[in-house]
Amino acid sequence: AQTVTQSQPEMSVQEAETVTLSCTYDTSESDYYLFWYKQPPSRQMILVIRQEAYKQQNATENRFSVNFQKAAKSFSLKISDSQLGDAAMYFCATEGGSEKLVFGKGTKLTVNP
Amino acid sequence: DAGITQSPRYKITETGRQVTLMCHQTWSHSYMFWYRQDLGHGLRLIYYSAAADITDKGEVPDGYVVSRSKTENFPLTLESATRSQTSVYFCASSATSGGTGELFFGEGSRLTVL
Repeated sequence: AQTVTQSQPEMSVQEAETVTLSCTYDTSESDYYLFWYKQPPSRQMILVIRQEAYKQQNATENRFSVNFQKAAKSFSLKISDSQLGDAAMYFCATEGGSEKLVFGKGTKLTVNP
Repeated sequence: DAGITQSPRYKITETGRQVTLMCHQTWSHSYMFWYRQDLGHGLRLIYYSAAADITDKGEVPDGYVVSRSKTENFPLTLESATRSQTSVYFCASSATSGGTGELFFGEGSRLTVL
């Protein structure tokens, strides 16, 4: 079964600095997608960034980028110029076979002013 | 308004009672999902549906029942609630397979079973 591991239960960063959240996964799929979702205190989950495994270029969305290492099955999220609004739980996810996503346990990010 | 809505947002019930959590989406997305979120476990899939009248079990389906008679609705029923089902429940929908497309989540339903 596909698994997703987020080894950092909590992280903190100073406003305007850069932070990297780690994620490793295990999948038997040959072609798959990887996702980072954000859950702010309001609880609404929103997509931050998506990576297609067959694409070698790392995905970027404004201040958010990923470091995708396919051979190592690693998919880290880098947040640049951190803002107070980035404080949230971040979940890494990948396809769990049969059309569904499997999520990691999440990393709680605190942004200090 | 367009989107995905869950009701009720908060529910307190007693052990043994039946509870139904509602989920409605206005996009006509084919795929719908129910997840539960618990501290230390992240999000775990309960059931999902690829289309009306098609449902399948996820990781933690025991004690739950779903139906999908209409594309836009995907209710989750706890037939006899237990304390271990105290959790926050999220409904989500996707236009494409849940493994490839963006999931759009509802705001969650916090259920407490006493």
